[in-house]
Amino acid sequence: DTEVTQTPKHLVMGMTNKKSLKCEQHMGHRAMYWYKQKAKKPPELMFVYSYEKLSINESVPSRFSPECPNSSLLNLHLHALQPEDSALYLCASSHTGDLETQYFGPGTRLLVL
Amino acid sequence: GENVEQHPSTLSVQEGDSAVIKCTYSDSASNYFPWYKQELGKGPQLIIDIRSNVGEKKDQRIAVTLNKTAKHFSLHITETQPEDSAVYFCAASQSSYGKLTFGQGTILTVHP
Repeated sequence: DTEVTQTPKHLVMGMTNKKSLKCEQHMGHRAMYWYKQKAKKPPELMFVYSYEKLSINESVPSRFSPECPNSSLLNLHLHALQPEDSALYLCASSHTGDLETQYFGPGTRLLVL
Repeated sequence: GENVEQHPSTLSVQEGDSAVIKCTYSDSASNYFPWYKQELGKGPQLIIDIRSNVGEKKDQRIAVTLNKTAKHFSLHITETQPEDSAVYFCAASQSSYGKLTFGQGTILTVHP
């Protein structure tokens, strides 16, 4: 099973709301990633967790807060977002991270009003 | 940091023709080069990858070639089918933790 699941599929939120995106994998992977993808653009890396520890933060604004409760789960907490944060948020995982296939989930399409 | 350029941005072919997409990268330390296919409403899916100790890799109708000296790699799809229509992204990686730098993408359309 090479599936990464993400919930919700769609999310609409106001600029004062707090919401969370969830990602789950059961492949035993120890590296998990959050990407942001705007329309007609490539995915942009936001965060990398390796063995449940944050290893890369690509200078993402603090209104995005990642969390890795265990090796199978990855959350992205959202607070006080701006309309320009509207995008497809993709989660991915890989075995350990080093030069390996990253398996992507279907993404959460976020609209900030 | 790494910079990956991808060409062409759009590619239109007839069913049965071949399609070639090219990427160049800037960081000579990069040593892992995956290709992803993204269909509408879905996440990117790996279709083939190559590592720097290999010059060419083939999987049925799909092949990738790598020229480390020139710092470019290419995706070749033969006998294209309408279901090959999608956005294709190349990427490069040289670091631990699997940081990928993507090209800008190629919209491939295969006409029946």
